Amino acid sequence: AQTVTQSQPEMSVQEAETVTLSCTYDTSESNYYLFWYKQPPSRQMILVIRQEAYKQQNATENRFSVNFQKAAKSFSLKISDSQLGDTAMYFCAFTKTSYDKVIFGPGTSLSVIP
Amino acid sequence: DVKVTQSSRYLVKRTGEKVFLECVQDMDHENMFWYRQDPGLGLRLIYFSYDVKMKEKGDIPEGYSVSREKKERFSLILESASTNQTSMYLCASSLGQDNQPQHFGDGTRLSIL
Repeated sequence: AQTVTQSQPEMSVQEAETVTLSCTYDTSESNYYLFWYKQPPSRQMILVIRQEAYKQQNATENRFSVNFQKAAKSFSLKISDSQLGDTAMYFCAFTKTSYDKVIFGPGTSLSVIP
Repeated sequence: DVKVTQSSRYLVKRTGEKVFLECVQDMDHENMFWYRQDPGLGLRLIYFSYDVKMKEKGDIPEGYSVSREKKERFSLILESASTNQTSMYLCASSLGQDNQPQHFGDGTRLSIL
């Protein structure tokens, strides 16, 4: 069975600094999809970034980028120039295909400190 | 933008009651999901559906059932509510194509007394 692990329950970062959130997963599949979702306090969960396993290039969305290490089954999220609005729970997620269930990690609570 | 609407933000019910949580999406998505979110456990999938009248059990279906009579609506039913079902419930939907992200509702915080 697939599992997703986020080893950092809580993290903090100074405003404008860079922070990296860790995620590892376990699967025997060769192709799959990985996601990072963000859930601000009392607000809707939204997609931050996605990565397809067959693509070697790391995904980037503005200040958010990933370091995808397929052999190590690692999918970390880097947030550059952290902003107060980045304070949120961040969930790493895995799915084989769109018709399979998405497996979420336990989440990392990130606080951006002014 | 995709809109996923959950009928209630906060709900308080009593043990033994039958509870209905409603979710509606407006983007003609094939897939719909119900999760519960508990601190330290992340999101756990209760049920999902990839088509009208279709449903699949997730990781924690016990004590729950679902209904999908129309494509846009996916209902979660607690047959006989118990205190251990106090939680945040999230509904999500997605297109039935690979690599499509899930779009979430605002969540329903359900308390069973």
